[in-house]
Parts: sequence; structure tokens; C-alpha cells
Amino acid sequence: GENVEQHPSTLSVQEGDSAVIKCTYSDSASNYFPWYKQELGKGPQLIIDIRSNVGEKKDQRIAVTLNKTAKHFSLHITETQPEDSAVYFCAARDSNYQLIWGAGTKLIIKP
Amino acid sequence: NAGVTQTPKFQVLKTGQSMTLQCAQDMNHNSMYWYRQDPGMGLRLIYYSASEGTTDKGEVPNGYNVSRLNKREFSLRLESAAPSQTSVYFCASSELRSESNTGELFFGEGSRLTVL
Repeated sequence: GENVEQHPSTLSVQEGDSAVIKCTYSDSASNYFPWYKQELGKGPQLIIDIRSNVGEKKDQRIAVTLNKTAKHFSLHITETQPEDSAVYFCAARDSNYQLIWGAGTKLIIKP
Repeated sequence: NAGVTQTPKFQVLKTGQSMTLQCAQDMNHNSMYWYRQDPGMGLRLIYYSASEGTTDKGEVPNGYNVSRLNKREFSLRLESAAPSQTSVYFCASSELRSESNTGELFFGEGSRLTVL
């Protein structure tokens, strides 16, 4: 079955700098890759997603890239702000339409 | 508009006790899910209900039972709690999953369960 690995587990960046979180997946049949953001005490919330027929997608300061050949996808956050501090999860949708989740990355924005 | 509401938010149980986590959504979604979240392990699917009247096992169903009471409500029951079930539990809902529908998940705020 599908397996998703996410790195790093913790990422600390200076406010205003960029942050990159990377995920790899194992099942080449997976075709949908969302990213969720979880703020303290809240449930995860979708921030951006990408389908396997697209290589890159942007939404203001966040972007996701997908390399199907290498089976990895990444979240890019530019001009980081204090409100970006959260735990970020990547996921891949398997053949049963269920999401298989990465372990999460705690992003810390230093003032 | 409340979205997904879970109760209780916190619960402490002794080993062997039973309890039910309640979940309700007001978005008229067809599909509902129960996940558990443990440090360093992401979210793991316990059970899901693709539509009213159906339930299916997820990745980690052992020790749990679910009931899809109606379209709005999906409950998770621990019959005999064990310390390994100490976790944060999230309920989520989505539109019916399909090839053309991304099936965005909408989560509740979580229920923190401790089993002593």
C-alpha cells in the first residue's frame, strides 16, 4: 500500500525567509496530493493541493511542486510570517480514495 | 455555521472503561471519518462512512466501533479502553469521494483521550 514520508520533522526559519517541506510517496498510482495546516488546538485545514497531471500550483505565498518520476512533492512558503507557524501535513490519495498522511512538520517562524 | 463539532474535548478513562465520542457536521456532507493523531505518526484512519448507512474499516480499526446515526452524526465507541488508545481523535467530513472530486476534509477541533 501507499506510504508517505515527510521531512523535516521540525523546521525553524527567520521571519521573511522561505520554508520548504518535502514528501515522498511509494505508490505510483496515487494521483492527488493535498497539504494541510494544523494550528495549535485545531483540526487540520486544507491549504493547497495538486493533482498528478500538474507539475506546480501556486496560491499567493504558498506553492506546491510535484515530480511524478521521482515520486516526491514539496510545499514552498515564501516571505514567511508569524501566522505561518503551525504543523503542516502532506498526504497522498491511494487507490481506495483514502488519504495516507505524512508524519507532519512543525514550522517555527523566528521573529 | 459550526462545521464539524466533536464532544467531549477532553476525557480521562481507566483501562477497561467504555466511552463514545460524538461527531456532528452541518455541511450536508455525505462522507465522515474518524482519525487518531499520535506524535510523529501523522493521522491514521480508524473508520469511515462513505455515505449514510455504510461504514468501513480504515488503517487502525481494532478496539473501536462506529455508528453512522444519520447523515449528520458519526460516533466512535471504545468498548474496553486500553492505554494504547491514548491519543487525539479527529472527526472529519467531506463530499462524496470520486475521481473528479478532491474530497477536501473538514475537521473538528479534536478530542483528547487519556487512558490510565
